[in-house]
Amino acid sequence: GESVGLHLPTLSVQEGDNSIINCAYSNSASDYFIWYKQESGKGPQFIIDIRSNMDKRQGQRVTVLLNKTVKHLSLQIAATQPGDSAVYFCAVDFNKFYFGSGTKLNVKP
Amino acid sequence: DGGITQSPKYLFRKEGQNVTLSCEQNLNHDAMYWYRQDPGQGLRLIYYSQIVNDFQKGDIAEGYSVSREKKESFPLTVTSAQKNPTAFYLCASSVEIQETQYFGPGTRLLVL
Repeated sequence: GESVGLHLPTLSVQEGDNSIINCAYSNSASDYFIWYKQESGKGPQFIIDIRSNMDKRQGQRVTVLLNKTVKHLSLQIAATQPGDSAVYFCAVDFNKFYFGSGTKLNVKP
Repeated sequence: DGGITQSPKYLFRKEGQNVTLSCEQNLNHDAMYWYRQDPGQGLRLIYYSQIVNDFQKGDIAEGYSVSREKKESFPLTVTSAQKNPTAFYLCASSVEIQETQYFGPGTRLLVL
């Protein structure tokens, strides 16, 4: 199987700073990874994904880094804004998707 | 406006009652899923369906039932056998199994 963990349950950053949210997984055969954003009381929203044949992928203000050697995934958010406040969790595909419990990002004005 | 809709937003269940949560998608996705979300935990898979008229149990299927009579619809029934039903229920769909899943807005189920 697979297990997915996030390093911090809560992360507080100043508006304008960069945020880094981490995720660790256990199975080296996992080959597809997704980051989701979930605002309070709403469904998760797809942010960005990456496959195991890549180690970096960039979107608008977001970058996902994949380190297969240590089985670690990170989401970087540039110039964090108040609208980025939410819970962020990763999903790791190994026969089915396994979901982390999430990191709550608080953006301080 | 394409997407996944869930209704109702809030649902109250009385002791011994079965309740049904609706999930509809107009994305033409083959696969659909039901997850349960509890505070501080990752999403847990209840049931999934790869195609119409087929569905499989997930990790926590006891006390739940589903049907997939139409491609667009995947209703979840929370039966009286589910002793701890209070949770946030999320429906998702994907083009096919193991592809990117897109989620609905969720239904919060509360017990009276």
